[in-house]
Order: sequence, then structure tokens, then C-alpha cells
Amino acid sequence: AQKVTQAQTEISVVEKEDVTLDCVYETRDTTYYLFWYKQPPSGELVFLIRRNSFDEQNEISGRYSWNFQKSTSSFNFTITASQVVDSAVYFCALKPLGTDKLIFGTGTRLQVFP
Amino acid sequence: EPEVTQTPSHQVTQMGQEVILRCVPISNHLYFYWYRQILGQKVEFLVSFYNNEISEKSEIFDDQFSVERPDGSNFTLKIRSTKLEDSAMYFCASTSGDWGSYEQYFGPGTRLTVT
Repeated sequence: AQKVTQAQTEISVVEKEDVTLDCVYETRDTTYYLFWYKQPPSGELVFLIRRNSFDEQNEISGRYSWNFQKSTSSFNFTITASQVVDSAVYFCALKPLGTDKLIFGTGTRLQVFP
Repeated sequence: EPEVTQTPSHQVTQMGQEVILRCVPISNHLYFYWYRQILGQKVEFLVSFYNNEISEKSEIFDDQFSVERPDGSNFTLKIRSTKLEDSAMYFCASTSGDWGSYEQYFGPGTRLTVT
């Protein structure tokens, strides 16, 4: 089965705290792609990052960083020094090779309080 | 920066009516998609479209649904006879199709309310 699990339904933090959003995926494919999307209160889906299964390098972009570990089938997302504007629902998604679709997790709602 | 656009932003319709949701994908993209998100739930794949035909569809995408690219820019989703359970946010997405570049860019969504 191909599946994405985001066990954290909702996380609340105070501004400037670091927060990690967990994502665990299941696939039998050896080649696949992982994504994170942000859905702010306005409702659109904003692409944040893509990671290929054959590239296990972690990535940092400003306050955002991603930790991809094939051994544990996880692709976690950390926001450093969170800000109120980070408040949103964050979705992790999987795209196995050979399929067009993105398989989304159920999302984690992040609330950052001032 | 190019973006996917969708119209209308909100559509209210009565059960049994036909609706057409419209999307303009990013201009040089070759693959197009529709997803839906029932309120508070996860985003679900409906259909993908490439080279003027459906390349993949989910079990949600039954005979009530159809997609079309009537011209060089628009991509539409038609629901022939809407049901209450079709109420959802419908997202259009596109991707370039370049090798390794599989991220899909989403439009702002159309909220469909079936009464």
C-alpha cells in the first residue's frame, strides 16, 4: 500500500519556538518523490519542497529544514524560530514513480501564537 | 511568477445540476490534475490529463465526472449531476513534465457547495 501518515493532527507553539512536523510514508517502490505543501487559512496549496528518494541530503531553506531518512521512511519538516505567519495546515505527500497522483497525508495544523 | 488560476472561487448549485469548474494551468506545463478536499479532510486525487487524454483517474472519478481541455489554455472539470457529497474544495494543478520535476503547482481552488 502507498500511504502517508501525519500523526500530529494539531500543534500549537509560541512565536520563536522551533517545531517539527512528522511525516511517515509507505511505498514498495524504490524510486519515489516526497513533497511538503502549506495550506494557509486562505485555502490555497503552496508547494514548499520536493525530495527524490535517491537523494537523502537534508535541505535547509531559511527557517525551514527537512530531514529525509529512508531507513525510517520519514520526511520531517522543521520550522526554526516560528512566526505567526507560519500558522497553516501542512501536508506531506508521496508520488511513487509510475503514477501521476500525489498521495497526501491528513495534514498537521500548526498554530503559532504571538 | 506564473500561477494556476481557477474560476469561480465559489460555486453554489442545487443537487442534480451540472457544474463546470475552470482552470488555467501554467502556460508551459504539460500535465494537468484535479484534486478535491472535503472540508477539514485530506486532499484527494481525482484525475490527471496529458496530451489531451486522461492518463490516470481515481475511483472517485466516476461517470459523473469529465475533464476537457477545450483550447490551448483552459482545463475544465464537469460534474454532470451534482450530489450533496460533491461539496468540497476542488483544486486544479499542473506540472511541467520535465524529467525529475514532479512538483505540482496548485490553483487557489473552487469551493463547490451543493444544496
